[in-house]
Amino acid sequence: SQKIEQNSEALNIQEGKTATLTCNYTNYSPAYLQWYRQDPGRGPVFLLLIRENEKEKRKERLKVTFDTTLKQSLFHITASQPADSATYLCALDGAGGFKTIFGAGTRLFVKA
Amino acid sequence: SAVISQKPSRDICQRGTSLTIQCQVDSQVTMMFWYRQQPGQSLTLIATANQGSEATYESGFVIDKFPISRPNLTFSTLTVSNMSPEDSSIYLCSVRTGGLSNYGYTFGSGTRLTVV
Repeated sequence: SQKIEQNSEALNIQEGKTATLTCNYTNYSPAYLQWYRQDPGRGPVFLLLIRENEKEKRKERLKVTFDTTLKQSLFHITASQPADSATYLCALDGAGGFKTIFGAGTRLFVKA
Repeated sequence: SAVISQKPSRDICQRGTSLTIQCQVDSQVTMMFWYRQQPGQSLTLIATANQGSEATYESGFVIDKFPISRPNLTFSTLTVSNMSPEDSSIYLCSVRTGGLSNYGYTFGSGTRLTVV
């Protein structure tokens, strides 16, 4: 069955460093990959979408890569800030969309 | 992007009772999605609600347990019926916004349900 793996262990980094989160998937060939931020007690907030034919996408301090050969996406936050502390979810969609599957997320802590 | 108002934000309910969760969207949308998220787990799609037709349920979820209404293009409700402690979870509604190949999902703030 389709499976998304995100590191269940929390990532702790120092303010100003680059945070890198990993999303691996199996038994799936997604056309779209999305990243979301979720704060405690809140719904996920959409950050970025990258298509299968895009290798990399940037938005302000965020960078996402999508390697369909490795079946992996990397999510980078540069110059990280304590306000970036949250859980980050990746999500995959097939070509038709509307059947999004979500990973369980990785918790990021940025220390001042 | 759309703004979703979801309520209640949390509730503690007795087993055997039912709770109805409401979601109001500030724009008209064709499809609304209902998810369940247990602590530390990924979001699991319960059903997709289209206006004017019956909701489409995912494997493991049935209409008798999770009836959904979709009376218009901006509103939907999910009822959790005959609750048991296993139904304790966060329930989220969502809509898809954006174009065909550049889209994202907007979520309500969630309903934290505890069944005792």
